[in-house]
Amino acid sequence: DQQVKQNSPSLSVQEGRISILNCDYTNSMFDYFLWYKKYPAEGPTFLISISSIKDKNEDGRFTVFLNKSAKHLSLHIVPSQPGDSAVYFCAASSDTTSGTYKYIFGTGTRLKVLA
Amino acid sequence: GVTQSPTHLIKTRGQQVTLRCSSQSGHNTVSWYQQALGQGPQFIFQYYRKEENGRGNFPPRFSGLQFPNDSSELNVNALELDDSALYLCASSRRGETQYFGPGTRLLVL
Repeated sequence: DQQVKQNSPSLSVQEGRISILNCDYTNSMFDYFLWYKKYPAEGPTFLISISSIKDKNEDGRFTVFLNKSAKHLSLHIVPSQPGDSAVYFCAASSDTTSGTYKYIFGTGTRLKVLA
Repeated sequence: GVTQSPTHLIKTRGQQVTLRCSSQSGHNTVSWYQQALGQGPQFIFQYYRKEENGRGNFPPRFSGLQFPNDSSELNVNALELDDSALYLCASSRRGETQYFGPGTRLLVL
């Protein structure tokens, strides 16, 4: 049972336009969400996070939106740049009350920004 | 940052392997993840103050250690073909954002 889903395996966007990456989750106990970017032969790099008490968090060109009622979050990248081409993973945190801060990851979306 | 060694490793079925991770300075929690091809990372276990602090759906042949300097090892016994994957270590302060190393790619033949 996949608790975090990224239903789009790939996305292509023109340079300068907006990239929107989507993520759905099923566990209503998740209270912390993150986006990571991964280049080939590197580990995931932290991009941005959001707590469940917020519905939006912004950091430069990156904005994450959280819709708790729909159990949906999205990452907006504006404007998109060729260097943003990578695989993007959505992750959710559970078990915070027990002290185990494990992340549940989606399967990733490969973003290609076309010059 | 977080470093891992070795970068690549080839083993045969039934062997044992040890992977190493050095945490980012000031971090006291280490988590290990397995990433199979085409999948997202899957949580193996987490260590805090040298104690295992949570485990995912992995059998006991996956074990770990955390050392006083907060570096860590992942040990896998009786390797199976399905253990072929990228193994990621992540360090953090307890309860805060996890930062990942570059990973060790393990191939089991």
